[in-house]
Amino acid sequence: NAGVTQTPKFQVLKTGQSMTLQCAQDMNHNSMYWYRQDPGMGLRLIYYSASEGTTDKGEVPNGYNVSRLNKREFSLRLESAAPSQTSVYFCASSDGTGGIEAFFGQGTRLTVV
Amino acid sequence: QQQVKQSPQSLIVQKGGIPIINCAYENTAFDYFPWYQQFPGKGPALLIAIRPDVSEKKEGRFTISFNKSAKQFSLHIMDSQPGDSATYFCAASSFSPLVFGKGTRLSVIA
Repeated sequence: NAGVTQTPKFQVLKTGQSMTLQCAQDMNHNSMYWYRQDPGMGLRLIYYSASEGTTDKGEVPNGYNVSRLNKREFSLRLESAAPSQTSVYFCASSDGTGGIEAFFGQGTRLTVV
Repeated sequence: QQQVKQSPQSLIVQKGGIPIINCAYENTAFDYFPWYQQFPGKGPALLIAIRPDVSEKKEGRFTISFNKSAKQFSLHIMDSQPGDSATYFCAASSFSPLVFGKGTRLSVIA
């Protein structure tokens, strides 16, 4: 059972470079999320997609864009990476938005130099 | 504005002790309060959750206590083991994505 799969697991970028983090879930969930985790800051929501075809900003959306490609896939794009975007990024999915268990991927550790 | 405040940031207990992690929330619309457990290099995973219609929920060695009037909830780990060493996050939501506390790093020493 794969659950939520994120690629890549590790990435080093130079300031100004762009990249896309990929996420796919095989649980037929409607909702998908991108969080970032920084030391002492917990998990902060970047963007989410309540259902296929919709996306909404979370707490820290600046510098990011997202695409809900289909029901399974939700990608996060950094157009011009900055050192402040060095973080561990987690994708998650759930059957609905709010009030229900969210399943997390293994994370992508991104370093921007 | 931090909607869920978690304390302490870190906690060290001896094996068999009962660590307690506390969270406080501000939004009275929240109606789902889960705790997630995260091991190094892994994503968070749901440990136990409670809804505000009950004041306590137990699953194995893990217990959530919930105080609706105080807008607080806590996680107790009975007979803690070294394998419980992890980071614990409280969270809250209503018809919205989970809002997480900042996390507590728990170390259980033998």
